Amino acid sequence: EILLTQSPATLSLSPGERATLSCRASQRVSSYLAWYQQKPGQAPRLLIYDASNRAAGIPARFSGSGSGTDFTLTISSLEPEDFAVYYCQLRHNWPPGYTFGQGTKLLIK
Amino acid sequence: EVQLVESGGGLVKPGGSLRLSCAASGFTFSSYTMNWVRQAPGKGLEWVSSISSSSSNIYYADSVKGRFTISRDNAKNSLYLQMNNLRGEDTAVYYCTRVDETGYSFDCWGQGTLVKVSS
Repeated sequence: EILLTQSPATLSLSPGERATLSCRASQRVSSYLAWYQQKPGQAPRLLIYDASNRAAGIPARFSGSGSGTDFTLTISSLEPEDFAVYYCQLRHNWPPGYTFGQGTKLLIK
Repeated sequence: EVQLVESGGGLVKPGGSLRLSCAASGFTFSSYTMNWVRQAPGKGLEWVSSISSSSSNIYYADSVKGRFTISRDNAKNSLYLQMNNLRGEDTAVYYCTRVDETGYSFDCWGQGTLVKVSS
């Protein structure tokens, strides 16, 4: 089974700074990786699908990249509302199902 | 507006059963694969189960296989999760999610329903 490892576990930055979040797969995977944002008390929200495509309504400061085993979510200039937990996720064919990374918590410095 | 609304959560004793429901609206429910995803208190996200649009393909996480049953009623625009033999580690918020048209990500989430397993 494919494992997704996110790093760092916690990231402390200030508004206006650039955030770079990593998601590494335990084996080479397709580029069908997704990223989600979750704020306290809320359901997750899809940000990026297929590694680099922004979901509907997602601001352009969010971008995704990567292939193979290494994927990155970049927030170009942090807004106050961006401080949240971010998860990567992958669908796997065998066994059939989905896997999430353990999350990166983005904190205000 | 696309909307998913879960219900049926609550407090149940270990070994007990619970049935979660998810009411869908704002889209053609019968065309989409649906999933349940859960989140234990203070923890990350865990995929639980998936059901294809016609119910022909059903999958479960190993942690719930043999205890949970996913189903859907396309005429009622509803998704269900029957949970039997519940354990403490099943305590979580359970989210109903829609799989997007690529088939690889969850583009719509409900607000979640809390299941607490405790004696």
